[in-house]
Amino acid sequence: NAGVTQTPKFQVLKTGQSMTLQCAQDMNHNSMYWYRQDPGMGLRLIYYSASEGTTDKGEVPNGYNVSRLNKREFSLRLESAAPSQTSVYFCASTRLYSNQPQHFGDGTRLSIL
Amino acid sequence: GESVGLHLPTLSVQEGDNSIINCAYSNSASDYFIWYKQESGKGPQFIIDIRSNMDKRQGQRVTVLLNKTVKHLSLQIAATQPGDSAVYFCAENSGGSNYKLTFGKGTLLTVNP
Repeated sequence: NAGVTQTPKFQVLKTGQSMTLQCAQDMNHNSMYWYRQDPGMGLRLIYYSASEGTTDKGEVPNGYNVSRLNKREFSLRLESAAPSQTSVYFCASTRLYSNQPQHFGDGTRLSIL
Repeated sequence: GESVGLHLPTLSVQEGDNSIINCAYSNSASDYFIWYKQESGKGPQFIIDIRSNMDKRQGQRVTVLLNKTVKHLSLQIAATQPGDSAVYFCAENSGGSNYKLTFGKGTLLTVNP
């Protein structure tokens, strides 16, 4: 099992460019999440999808959009990248919409110049 | 707002010693807690979890203790090995009907050979 797979692993963008971060899980999980991780800030929730067909804002949603494409895939889009969005982005998934551990991918390292 | 914090940002131990990593939480409604390990360049890896109806849970070389009276969580690693060197995060279910985690900022564990 691959678990949670994120692509790309690294990306450099110029201010104003757009891009989509991809995430796929093969564990038949219902819920999926997008986080960003910045030095000294811990993991902060951007958006989540409790189940296929639903998405909700997290703690820091501004500047991002998401799409739950199907049960396996959850993408994060930056429409107009800003330097403040330079970060490491993690996707996670969990089996049930309840108390179960979230499983993480290895992240996308994004730099905005 | 509610937050999860750590007492020590760094911990250095000798190989073979036992390690204890602490975490304070402030949301009395949290009923589920998780410890994650994050190695450099990788995503957080699930180690062990505990529900609020338990005080202690053991895994392979790891033990999590929960003290609800003082809102304190600890991770004990027995016979610490160089491969245990990483950042360790605690996380809590921030409550409510949506399953969302609140993460601490992490403790860096360094194991000296």
